[in-house]
Amino acid sequence: QQPVQSPQAVILREGEDAVINCSSSKALYSVHWYRQKHGEAPVFLMILLKGGEQKGHDKISASFNEKKQQSSLYLTASQLSYSGTYFCGTELPSNTGKLIFGQGTTLQVKP
Amino acid sequence: GAGVSQSPSNKVTEKGKDVELRCDPISGHTALYWYRQSLGQGLEFLIYFQGNSAPDKSGLPSDRFSAERTGGSVSTLTIQRTQQEDSAVYLCASSPYRGPEAFFGQGTRLTVV
Repeated sequence: QQPVQSPQAVILREGEDAVINCSSSKALYSVHWYRQKHGEAPVFLMILLKGGEQKGHDKISASFNEKKQQSSLYLTASQLSYSGTYFCGTELPSNTGKLIFGQGTTLQVKP
Repeated sequence: GAGVSQSPSNKVTEKGKDVELRCDPISGHTALYWYRQSLGQGLEFLIYFQGNSAPDKSGLPSDRFSAERTGGSVSTLTIQRTQQEDSAVYLCASSPYRGPEAFFGQGTRLTVV
C-alpha cells in the first residue's frame, strides 16, 4: 500500500530542474506532497485530487496521472532552500483521509 | 492559534519500561495521525483517528503499541515494554476532515537504552 518514490536521492546545482516520481499499486483519491528539512517537521506543499487540476507552489508544481496511479513533483530553477526530503502521501478512495507516505526522496541543492 | 503540540520533545527510557507520548492537535481538526520516523527513514504510518469513527490501527507494529484519543482532541500513544528498535521520532499530525493540509508536530524523539 505504501507508494514508491524515485529517485531515492538527487543532487542538483542551483538553477537546475528536478523531477520526483511517486507511484501507487492502487487507485488513488488524492496525492499529497510534503517537504521535510533536517531536524524539522514535514511541511505541506500541495495536494492533487482525482479529477482535479495540477496545482503549483512558487516554482514547484506537480501532476497526477490517475490512470497510471502516478504523481510527479517538478522543481524548476531549484534554490538552496529546496534542499530537504520530499514525501508523497497517498489517499485511497475508500480510506476517508488516511495518508500513507512513500519512503522519501532526498534533494540536495548545491551553490 | 497554536499548532500541533507534542510532549515530551525528548524521552530516554530503559528497555522494558512503558512510555506515553502525547499529542495536542489543532483545535477543531477531526483527523489525527501518528507516524514513526527512524533515523534517516521515511514516515511509517501507525494509526489514524477520524472524528468518532473507529481508529485505523493497521500500522501499529505490535500489540505493545496502543493509542487513544479522548474527547476527539488529545491523543496518547503508549508503548509497553519498550525495545531498542522502538527508538525513533514519533510524529503526530492533525487536519480537518479530508485535509487538504495535515499539520505536523515537532515530534517526540524516543531513545530506548
